[in-house]
Amino acid sequence: DAGITQSPRHKVTETGTPVTLRCHQTENHRYMYWYRQDPGHGLRLIHYSYGVKDTDKGEVSDGYSVSRSKTEDFLLTLESATSSQTSVYFCAISETGQSTGELFFGEGSRLTVL
Amino acid sequence: AQSVTQPDIHITVSEGASLELRCNYSYGATPYLFWYVQSPGQGLQLLLKYFSGDTLVQGIKGFEAEFKRSQSSFNLRKPSVHWSDAAEYFCAVGAKTGANNLFFGTGTRLTVIP
Repeated sequence: DAGITQSPRHKVTETGTPVTLRCHQTENHRYMYWYRQDPGHGLRLIHYSYGVKDTDKGEVSDGYSVSRSKTEDFLLTLESATSSQTSVYFCAISETGQSTGELFFGEGSRLTVL
Repeated sequence: AQSVTQPDIHITVSEGASLELRCNYSYGATPYLFWYVQSPGQGLQLLLKYFSGDTLVQGIKGFEAEFKRSQSSFNLRKPSVHWSDAAEYFCAVGAKTGANNLFFGTGTRLTVIP
């Protein structure tokens, strides 16, 4: 099985503070994704990466930035957190190494913005 | 615009009974279709996928799904539900040209009663 570690798993922060979530994979896969999960919305794509330094926006990218300086790490940054960014964030990789939608997900990072 | 509708927010079935979870999609071309399952506090796990060919696809844990192009549906079925199937189920659709942005439904929560 693919290995994904998300950190931190839980974080409480205040409005206006910067937050960085980390996703680390052990599979050397090219495609990595950040989704957010909210009740009534399912999962929505924030950003994805198709290689080192290669990223693109998803459906709900406003207020978020990402970086990928190494194959194994994909960082999601909230420059100035807002209460609307309270959510559960999931990192995923493509199980096949291609962009076929067959995703393997991490266990999630729960972020609360007060 | 792409969208996925899961009309049932919550379904309760008895252990041993059959199950069908509904999924309808709106997409401009023939899509890739997926069902994912999420146990409480966990990430999502791929149950099955449809890319092309036989419209009845088999997945893990005894699940199957049928693609009906005329109805824009991809319903998930299981002939006999086990208590361990209690979870939330998500239908998703992606593009054949590159499924980097999967669109997820809002999910159906399954409760299994003894």
